Amino acid sequence: GAGVSQTPSNKVTEKGKYVELRCDPISGHTALYWYRQSLGQGPEFLIYFQGTGAADDSGLPNDRFFAVRPEGSVSTLKIQRTERGDSAVYLCASSLLGSDGETQYFGPGTRLLVL
Amino acid sequence: KQEVTQIPAALSVPEGENLVLNCSFTDSAIYNLQWFRQDPGKGLTSLLLIQSSQREQTSGRLNASLDKSSGRSTLYIAASQPGDSATYLCAVGGSQGNLIFGKGTKLSVKP
Repeated sequence: GAGVSQTPSNKVTEKGKYVELRCDPISGHTALYWYRQSLGQGPEFLIYFQGTGAADDSGLPNDRFFAVRPEGSVSTLKIQRTERGDSAVYLCASSLLGSDGETQYFGPGTRLLVL
Repeated sequence: KQEVTQIPAALSVPEGENLVLNCSFTDSAIYNLQWFRQDPGKGLTSLLLIQSSQREQTSGRLNASLDKSSGRSTLYIAASQPGDSATYLCAVGGSQGNLIFGKGTKLSVKP
């Protein structure tokens, strides 16, 4: 596709459940980023992949959050034992090389609601 | 720890006005600064990217400036239109490429 896609667009789950959020970056982009945006706030960095490896996961809030990118393309953000405070929009972005000075292209986000 | 602040939080102007959105950051050791637009329920669209060595960038009716030493950037929108109504986000880029965002300025342009 022409842009970054994310699925599902909306996800409603119950407290304690496990969820997976998917990101499909722009073809050929080696760098992939996950951000989380709470209502009325700017996006907050979660994790950055360069190829298949997580180059920086310092933004993950705790060990309930995990992300993978096994083939260097699609990435999955996994949240275990979801809590109501996890409710937010999860945004994915990609860039060609991940070097400083590159534009990041964002997907439409997945809106997660934990009841 | 880098902090990004945007002022004002919200702005309402009549169509045709020129306007300025402000962004400030606490650590001047940035690699770049980007301005994004976010429409309700949508993702982010990159508007302008300024490298740390640059002073400004222009695209159409938009002009963004960067003063690293004072930790400030401004986004100037000329001849505003109702279609410019959106939230504008400022973000500074770190060494790994991850962005640190402000909370945004919600702009409303009235016809």
